[in-house]
Amino acid sequence: DAGVIQSPRHEVTEMGQEVTLRCKPISGHDYLFWYRQTMMRGLELLIYFNNNVPIDDSGMPEDRFSAKMPNASFSTLKIQPSEPRDSAVYFCASRDGTGGGNSPLHFGNGTRLTVT
Amino acid sequence: GENVEQHPSTLSVQEGDSAVIKCTYSDSASNYFPWYKQELGKRPQLIIDIRSNVGEKKDQRIAVTLNKTAKHFSLHITETQPEDSAVYFCAATPHFGNEKLTFGTGTRLTIIP
Repeated sequence: DAGVIQSPRHEVTEMGQEVTLRCKPISGHDYLFWYRQTMMRGLELLIYFNNNVPIDDSGMPEDRFSAKMPNASFSTLKIQPSEPRDSAVYFCASRDGTGGGNSPLHFGNGTRLTVT
Repeated sequence: GENVEQHPSTLSVQEGDSAVIKCTYSDSASNYFPWYKQELGKRPQLIIDIRSNVGEKKDQRIAVTLNKTAKHFSLHITETQPEDSAVYFCAATPHFGNEKLTFGTGTRLTIIP
């Protein structure tokens, strides 16, 4: 398995531009998570999906952020308009919840976003 | 919601010595406590986890202990090696299936050769 795949690895954009981050979870995983990592705030959960349905988006910082999961193999996190304070590493993670219990999160390699 | 505090934020130990990282949590309902290791520029990866029905778990040089009464858990790395240098994150969740993991702020561990 190729693991969780994120693209792009790096994104540099100007303030005000729209940014779209992409994620392909591990095949068969029914949970998908978007995390943001910064030096100041560490790893923060933004939103998570179960079977393509958003379950909890309470971590989404504001209306400029939106996430979708149109099918089991693809999710996007969009920031519009972007601001310098959005600069961070964004991780996508997935897990298999079908067996019950606590199966581990599998993280992607992250997208390093820089907004100038 | 859950609040996880992690100490120390940085830790340097001589190669071969032991390292201990401690975390406390606030929600007494938390029942799952994983530890993740993140090497520089890479993704976090699970190294060990413990559930609330056990007090200790060991995997080779790594062990985790849990004190539910005091609401704290610790990571112990023995016989440290240079490849143990990384940032370590603890996490906790009161939700079955760890849907909402709350992470600690991380400990940067440096092994001095």
